[in-house]
Amino acid sequence: KAGVTQTPRYLIKTRGQQVTLSCSPISGHRSVSWYQQTPGQGLQFLFEYFSETQRNKGNFPGRFSGRQFSNSRSEMNVSTLELGDSALYLCASSSLSGGEREQYFGPGTRLTVT
Amino acid sequence: GENVEQHPSTLSVQEGDSAVIKCTYSDSASNYFPWYKQELGKRPQLIIDIRSNVGEKKDQRIAVTLNKTAKHFSLHITETQPEDSAVYFCAFASGGSYIPTFGRGTSLIVHP
Repeated sequence: KAGVTQTPRYLIKTRGQQVTLSCSPISGHRSVSWYQQTPGQGLQFLFEYFSETQRNKGNFPGRFSGRQFSNSRSEMNVSTLELGDSALYLCASSSLSGGEREQYFGPGTRLTVT
Repeated sequence: GENVEQHPSTLSVQEGDSAVIKCTYSDSASNYFPWYKQELGKRPQLIIDIRSNVGEKKDQRIAVTLNKTAKHFSLHITETQPEDSAVYFCAFASGGSYIPTFGRGTSLIVHP
């Protein structure tokens, strides 16, 4: 099975711009979660999608949004970028939402905001 | 909000020794406790998890124990090997929703 893929792997944007990141889960996995990882704040949960519906949401402002398509691929969007949004954005696919989980992370997208 | 304290922040052991990492959480409604391993420059991996109706779970050289009364859970790695060197994160989630709160991580260094 192919693993979780994320595109792009690296991205440089300027303040005020918006960005869209993509995540393709493992075939058959219907749950995709997004995380932000920074040296200062560590790992933080953004949101989880299951069967095209947002199931859970972390404590991030409304500038962070996401969606999931019928093929389970997911995108996350950050609007009006701020310097503090510079981070590694990770997605993970799971075979279940809650319950017993098998969870696999993608390689991440390194976003730099200048 | 909910938080989790993870200790130690750095742990250095000799190959073959055991390593223990402990996390203390605040939300008594927490019922899901996963552990992640992240090697330098690589993606995190879910290595083991435990639910609140179980006190201990083992998978080969790793085990997790949970003490709900004291609100802490621990990761135990026995017979450590250099490839165990990584940052380990604990997390907890509450209720039926999977909204994890992560610890700040423990950098484990296993010296050959």
